[in-house]
Order: sequence, then structure tokens, then C-alpha cells
Amino acid sequence: DAGVIQSPRHEVTEMGQEVTLRCKPISGHNSLFWYRQTMMRGLELLIYFNNNVPIDDSGMPEDRFSAKMPNASFSTLKIQPSEPRDSAVYFCASSPLAGRGELFFGEGSRLTVL
Amino acid sequence: GENVEQHPSTLSVQEGDSAVIKCTYSDSASNYFPWYKQELGKRPQLIIDIRSNVGEKKDQRIAVTLNKTAKHFSLHITETQPEDSAVYFCASEGYQKVTFGTGTKLQVIP
Repeated sequence: DAGVIQSPRHEVTEMGQEVTLRCKPISGHNSLFWYRQTMMRGLELLIYFNNNVPIDDSGMPEDRFSAKMPNASFSTLKIQPSEPRDSAVYFCASSPLAGRGELFFGEGSRLTVL
Repeated sequence: GENVEQHPSTLSVQEGDSAVIKCTYSDSASNYFPWYKQELGKRPQLIIDIRSNVGEKKDQRIAVTLNKTAKHFSLHITETQPEDSAVYFCASEGYQKVTFGTGTKLQVIP
């Protein structure tokens, strides 16, 4: 298995633009997590899904952020409109089952909002 | 919600010395405690974990201890090597959510 695949690896955009980050979890994993990493706040859980269903989105900063998982092999995190304070590395991670152990992280998407 | 505190935030040790990183958590329902290593520009990767029914676990040069009564757990790295230099995150899992500590930047000086 290729592991968790994220795209794009790097994104530079201007304030106000829409940003879409994509994630393909490891095949057979039932749980998918979106994390945001910054120097100031560390690794923050934004949202996670079990069997494609959003379970907890309490970490989503505000209405500008939305996430979907239309099927077991694909998820998106969208920011609209983007702001400079959204600049961070966004990690997607998958797990065989939430609450049962190791998270497998993707390489991350580094977002810079000018 | 769960709160995980991690200390120290930075740690420098001479090659061959030991390094200890400590974490505390708040939710007594948490039952799984993984440690992740993140090298510069890379993704976090699991290096060792421990479940609440165990007090200590070892894997070669790394070990983790857990004190459920005091709600703290620690990572011990012995005989440190330059390739151990990275940021280490502790984490606590309860109710299907993993909460991370703020990270410890470990520098091993050759």
C-alpha cells in the first residue's frame, strides 16, 4: 500500500481564495482524521470520520472550513474564503478503526495564504 | 475535553546520554498513549505506544512508562544517537479522539 496520499503537497494562494485539500486513506482503514499543525498551536484535530460519517467536527475553526468524505477512499478539506492565519501544514491520517491504535499520517499539505 | 501537557519543549543531550520526555493528561477515561516522532519536514510516525493495562513497555532503546493513578506517562530514550534528533509528540486517546501534546524538540549533539 502506498500509504495515506495527500494533495497538493504545497499550495500558495491569496487571501479570499478557495482552497481544497485532498486525501486518500489507506485501503481498508475505516477512520480518517484531519489535523492542522502550526508552531503556535501544535497538532490540532479538526475533524474525523468513521465509515465516511463525520463524528466530531468540534475542532473545525469556523464556518469557513468544511470537510467531506463521499466514499471510503477520498476526503476533502475546504477553506473558503482563506485567510493568512490559515497558513499551516494540514495532515490527513487514517486508522483501521478510531480508538484502536496507530494513526498513519500522510505527507501533509503545506498551505500559505498571502 | 482532554488536555495533554508535555515537557520539556526542547531538550539537548550528548550522544550516548539518555533523554526523558514527560506528559500528563486530564481525562481518566483515556486508555491508549502513543508516541510519535516527527523529523524535520516529515510526517509524524508512531514509535511506541502503551495501553492503560500496562505500566511499562520497551522496544530496544526506547521505553514508555505509564502511571494511571497520577495520569502521567513518559518516554525514555537510552544511548541517544544523532538520528534520534526530531520532535516527539505524546498523545492520549479516549472516546476515539487522539489529543496530542505540544511536542518536544530533541537535539542529540554528536
